[in-house]
Amino acid sequence: AQKITQTQPGMFVQEKEAVTLDCTYDTSDQSYGLFWYKQPSSGEMIFLIYQGSYDEQNATEGRYSLNFQKARKSANLVISASQLGDSAMYFCAMREGGRNSGYSTLTFGKGTMLLVSP
Amino acid sequence: DTGVSQNPRHKITKRGQNVTFRCDPISEHNRLYWYRQTLGQGPEFLTYFQNEAQLEKSRLLSDRFSAERPKGSFSTLEIQRTEQGDSAMYLCASRGQGGTGELFFGEGSRLTVL
Repeated sequence: AQKITQTQPGMFVQEKEAVTLDCTYDTSDQSYGLFWYKQPSSGEMIFLIYQGSYDEQNATEGRYSLNFQKARKSANLVISASQLGDSAMYFCAMREGGRNSGYSTLTFGKGTMLLVSP
Repeated sequence: DTGVSQNPRHKITKRGQNVTFRCDPISEHNRLYWYRQTLGQGPEFLTYFQNEAQLEKSRLLSDRFSAERPKGSFSTLEIQRTEQGDSAMYLCASRGQGGTGELFFGEGSRLTVL
């Protein structure tokens, strides 16, 4: 079974509108972390936001917020007030184990391509 | 620039040739990761170093692949006898102690095998 599932291959949004990118995850660990990265056409992976499994409040970073629903194992990214520069691939990723676990690599989903139109 | 640096950015080679990629992590980061990303997919883990020790290798890392981090600083990823299926973006990432576990990625090295 896939550990990270992103069911939306592509999403379209108009500039200044909000958009939600879906992510569900699968783990038996109690301690884990969820990440969202942005990958523009240049190829670099840019970290956007992090949510720890024990964090009670949803994470927010500027226009980005993470809608964390632990019981549903979902960690959706919400981008408010979309901008043309938000057009990119977006990847959801998970770290299993605590943040100081020795291994702590990230497992990525297949991504969602977001296109923002004027 | 103190981010993760990868060289070369692009490499075109003929099938059967050997290629080597280099990664210079953020200087204070002791953990270094290699990922592979094919078109339309997310990055897939290849291998992980803590300082100079290679602590984990994915099943994706066939015998033709070898990675080193000799002094716990930069790392190299070598692919011997390249095959067309090796064509991909090879991403390097690093992280330090503590924090959220966020990985800092380089811009990647794109390999095309003809």
